[in-house]
Amino acid sequence: EPEVTQTPSHQVTQMGQEVILRCVPISNHLYFYWYRQILGQKVEFLVSFYNNEISEKSEIFDDQFSVERPDGSNFTLKIRSTKLEDSAMYFCASSDPDWVEKLFFGSGTQLSVL
Amino acid sequence: AQTVTQSQPEMSVQEAETVTLSCTYDTSENNYYLFWYKQPPSRQMILVIRQEAYKQQNATENRFSVNFQKAAKSFSLKISDSQLGDTAMYFCAFMKVAGNNRKLIWGLGTSLAVNP
Repeated sequence: EPEVTQTPSHQVTQMGQEVILRCVPISNHLYFYWYRQILGQKVEFLVSFYNNEISEKSEIFDDQFSVERPDGSNFTLKIRSTKLEDSAMYFCASSDPDWVEKLFFGSGTQLSVL
Repeated sequence: AQTVTQSQPEMSVQEAETVTLSCTYDTSENNYYLFWYKQPPSRQMILVIRQEAYKQQNATENRFSVNFQKAAKSFSLKISDSQLGDTAMYFCAFMKVAGNNRKLIWGLGTSLAVNP
């Protein structure tokens, strides 16, 4: 079965550094999402992306965050200047145009900001 | 704004028995989806079951079924014949149907332990 792939599985960075989290969605999917899960808290929506633009973003997704689909296969989340509170598991998801509400999730990237 | 509440932080069940996980939600929308996701120790989110709000019939997927009470805004998950592999975190989630946006609103989760 096709799957969403995320790299790296773990990322450790220093506060203030830039990080890029990478995702390869399922190939025929057109809708892409980032969610994050801080330990012990609810999974939170960050952003959705369709037709090469952001279709919705949450309050969390401020100017420090950006997303990009640089080459038609990868979907990246960039955090420009990481804060301690950015430490979380970040999940990428995608869905196809015929079944938009069924999201397929990757295995996540655990980001630790020190 | 929509909210999802799971009032059971932890539950346990004996192998082969049945367990029900509770979920309530709040919305003023009439058209939406409800989901149960499973998150095993590997931490990948796996879709267990999905319910469309306009359908009165409760969704079923093998050993998993839901009790959807739209008026009460309740969406519980029943796991029959529990297996050790069902041990995981279970999340209830809500999705409003609105154009191209498919944002999931999540509950806090219920940690389920299936005991041998």
